[in-house]
Amino acid sequence: DAGVIQSPRHEVTEMGQEVTLRCKPISGHDYLFWYRQTMMRGLELLIYFNNNVPIDDSGMPEDRFSAKMPNASFSTLKIQPSEPRDSAVYFCASRPTGSYGYTFGSGTRLTVV
Amino acid sequence: DQQVKQNSPSLSVQEGRISILNCDYTNSMFDYFLWYKKYPAEGPTFLISISSIKDKNEDGRFTVFLNKSAKHLSLHIVPSQPGDSAVYFCASRYGQNFVFGPGTRLSVLP
Repeated sequence: DAGVIQSPRHEVTEMGQEVTLRCKPISGHDYLFWYRQTMMRGLELLIYFNNNVPIDDSGMPEDRFSAKMPNASFSTLKIQPSEPRDSAVYFCASRPTGSYGYTFGSGTRLTVV
Repeated sequence: DQQVKQNSPSLSVQEGRISILNCDYTNSMFDYFLWYKKYPAEGPTFLISISSIKDKNEDGRFTVFLNKSAKHLSLHIVPSQPGDSAVYFCASRYGQNFVFGPGTRLSVLP
């Protein structure tokens, strides 16, 4: 079991550019979550999916953020256009139905300059 | 408005002593709580959990206490080891997901 896989590990981009973060959940996990970690706010839930369907996106900060889950093994979080205040570590996590514990990926550290 | 608070951003403890990390929540509907540990450059990993029907859960050196009337939980680590140095997040269940606190950075000094 390779765990939750996120790519890239680090991303540095210029303000205004599009950024796409990727996540492969653990096979068989039907819940997928995107979190953002900042010093000020800790871990914030951005959006989560159940069986590839977005359930709650109330944490997505602005229309510049969008997330998709085209199939059970892949999800993307896109920021367009990116801004310096988007700089943070973005985590993807997954869990199966009936389990309370998440498995987190190693995160993507995004820096927007 | 944070529903889960960890009011100590950092804590330093001597090796061998007890570490106590605190967490307060505001929503009385939360019914399940977890602690996660996070090392630098890694994702958080599950540490220990407790259901609201219990007031204590123990796993080796780690014990979580829940005081529902005070909406407070704490994580005790005894004895603390240098390898316990990490950021600790508490999380409370809300619907199908968890609300995380901002984290407490624990440093265990040799």
